Amino acid sequence: QVQLVESGGGVVQPGGSLRLSCAASGFTFSRCGMHWVRQAPGKGLEWVTTIWSDGSNQKYADSVRGRFTISRDTSRNTLYLQMNSLRPEDTAVYYCAKQGQPGINWFDPWGQGTLVTVSS
Amino acid sequence: EIVLTQSPATLSLSPGERATLSCRASQSVSNYLAWYQQKPGQAPRVLIYDASNRATDIPARFSGSGSGTDFTLTISSLEPEDFALYYCQQRYNWPITFGQGTRLEIK
Repeated sequence: QVQLVESGGGVVQPGGSLRLSCAASGFTFSRCGMHWVRQAPGKGLEWVTTIWSDGSNQKYADSVRGRFTISRDTSRNTLYLQMNSLRPEDTAVYYCAKQGQPGINWFDPWGQGTLVTVSS
Repeated sequence: EIVLTQSPATLSLSPGERATLSCRASQSVSNYLAWYQQKPGQAPRVLIYDASNRATDIPARFSGSGSGTDFTLTISSLEPEDFALYYCQQRYNWPITFGQGTRLEIK
């Protein structure tokens, strides 16, 4: 079955960096666009970024553009999120998610999430 | 940016009752709307995509309708496990956006 497992979360100081990983299995990773979605504590869902199946294009939310970079390694079936210049408002559970169908941007399934806390 | 407004914020019902959740878009999203359910401590899961298509393994009591700017998620007869948070999401335009959520609670 399709499985997504995030890792790399933790506590980081404002201005710091962190790299999240999402290990994918159970589907042809190279055929699917992938997303990161976050959820601040007690808040709703916020789309963060999307990468095309072949890595040729990326989209970012305004709140993270210029600070976050999404990438993928097809040989490792792994999705990444490099987060730089972190701010307290980036504190959230970060979920990776697969495109529901190739080229169609709904989210199915989601990983279990990894918590990022930005605090001094 | 397309803003999705969900109503009501909280819906209090009893098991066996019918639930009707609304999602209104600030501009047309055609039928490019999905619904998600989230339970405490869990990741969301998709229920409905493209307004009215049930996702894999989703029970038939969940149905979606609407197009353009007005959408509805209906749960025909509430089961105890249906009490949760529900979000709508549009994929018509970038950025992808979510509604703020409707909490379905036991009355």
